Amino acid sequence: KAGVTQTPRYLIKTRGQQVTLSCSPISGHRSVSWYQQTPGQGLQFLFEYFSETQRNKGNFPGRFSGRQFSNSRSEMNVSTLELGDSALYLCASSMTGNDGYTFGSGTRLTVV
Amino acid sequence: QKEVEQNSGPLSVPEGAIASLNCTYSDRGSQSFFWYRQYSGKSPELIMSIYSNGDKEDGRFTAQLNKASQYVSLLIRDSQPSDSATYLCAVISNSGNTPLVFGKGTRLSVIA
Repeated sequence: KAGVTQTPRYLIKTRGQQVTLSCSPISGHRSVSWYQQTPGQGLQFLFEYFSETQRNKGNFPGRFSGRQFSNSRSEMNVSTLELGDSALYLCASSMTGNDGYTFGSGTRLTVV
Repeated sequence: QKEVEQNSGPLSVPEGAIASLNCTYSDRGSQSFFWYRQYSGKSPELIMSIYSNGDKEDGRFTAQLNKASQYVSLLIRDSQPSDSATYLCAVISNSGNTPLVFGKGTRLSVIA
């Protein structure tokens, strides 16, 4: 059974650019959540999608957005990148959103 | 603001000892509780889930939940150097659709 797949694994962008990250959940999982992880702040919740609808949203600026497709794959977009956006971005999927989440390997974003 | 609190550590235990990791949460409506292990440079891995008061054992791991005290713990028996990692406590509140909220993690070091 394939796990959660995130692409790309590493990304270097310059300030002001925008970036799109992709996540393919485990087959049959309808809930996809995105987290930002930094050494100081730990895992910060960005948003959760369930059946193509955003069900929850964390306290991040509007530059952070996401979407989910009918096959449950999800993308997140960050526009007008700032140095502080450098982090590990993790995607996690679950069957319902109330059971255990499985994480992907993450995308390491560096903004220079 | 739903919060999950953990002692950041590091918690150092000798090989073969019992490691005890603790977590408290603020939302009394929380219903689902998880422990994740995260090795340096890797993504979190789900190791235990618990939903009702009491103990749940899985191999060398025991999760303990006390909803009245809003407290969940993880015991690791016969600790091994390979258990050295950061352990993340995560909680879902079933009072409405809410995301999985993480504590900042406790760093465990098992000394050979």
